[in-house]
Amino acid sequence: GAVVSQHPSRVICKSGTSVKIECRSLDFQATTMFWYRQFPKKSLMLMATSNEGSKATYEQGVEKDKFLINHASLTLSTLTVTSAHPEDSSFYICSAQIPTGSGYTFGSGTRLTVV
Amino acid sequence: AQSVTQLGSHVSVSEGALVLLRCNYSSSVPPYLFWYVQYPNQGLQLLLKYTSAATLVKGINGFEAEFKKSETSFHLTKPSAHMSDAAEYFCAVSETGANNLFFGTGTRLTVIP
Repeated sequence: GAVVSQHPSRVICKSGTSVKIECRSLDFQATTMFWYRQFPKKSLMLMATSNEGSKATYEQGVEKDKFLINHASLTLSTLTVTSAHPEDSSFYICSAQIPTGSGYTFGSGTRLTVV
Repeated sequence: AQSVTQLGSHVSVSEGALVLLRCNYSSSVPPYLFWYVQYPNQGLQLLLKYTSAATLVKGINGFEAEFKKSETSFHLTKPSAHMSDAAEYFCAVSETGANNLFFGTGTRLTVIP
C-alpha cells in the first residue's frame, strides 16, 4: 500500500520548452506532496510542498514561475518545468506522507535532460 | 532547524564484511529519523525509520540502525555485506509532526567481491 507513481521516468526536451512531471498516489489520498531535486553532488533538496486545493509552498531560492506546481486533486500533483534550460537537467522525485503516519513514500523519480 | 550530516560520501567494503554508514543529525525537537536506499536510476526506498519507539530499529534487507540521543547519531549497519547492497544511502530527519524531510548528502556504498 501507499504507492506513489511518478511519470515520466525519463524525458529529454529542448531548451525553452516546458516539461510536466506527474505524481499520483495510487491507493491513498495525499493532501500534501513534496517535490525534491537531486543535484549532481547527490544531495536531495526539497523544492516545494504541494497542498491540495491551495498554492504550493516553495523553499527559499526556488523560482515559483519556473517550477509550477499544481495539486488539483487528492491523488495528483504535477511539477511543470517551464522554459527549461540545461541547468535544469536533474533527477526530480516526488513524495507523499503515508496516511498512517509511518513515514513517507516516494515516486521512482524523473530524469530530466535539457538539450 | 534540522540538518543531517553523513560522513563519507563513498564507502567500500568487501563482500561479507560489516557495513557501517554514519549519520548525525541536528534537531531542536525530538526527531523522526529515516534511512533510504536508492538503486541506480530508481527512486528512494525506505530501509528503516525511528519514530521514538525502540532505539534499535531493524529494517529490510538485514539493515539496522541505532538512535543515540547523546551522540545525535543514527548510524546504519549490516553485519555482512552482499553485492546487492551496492547503492546510494540517504539519512533523513523530520521533526515530530512535521511534513517534510531533510536529507543528508548521501553515501555511495560499493561492495567488493
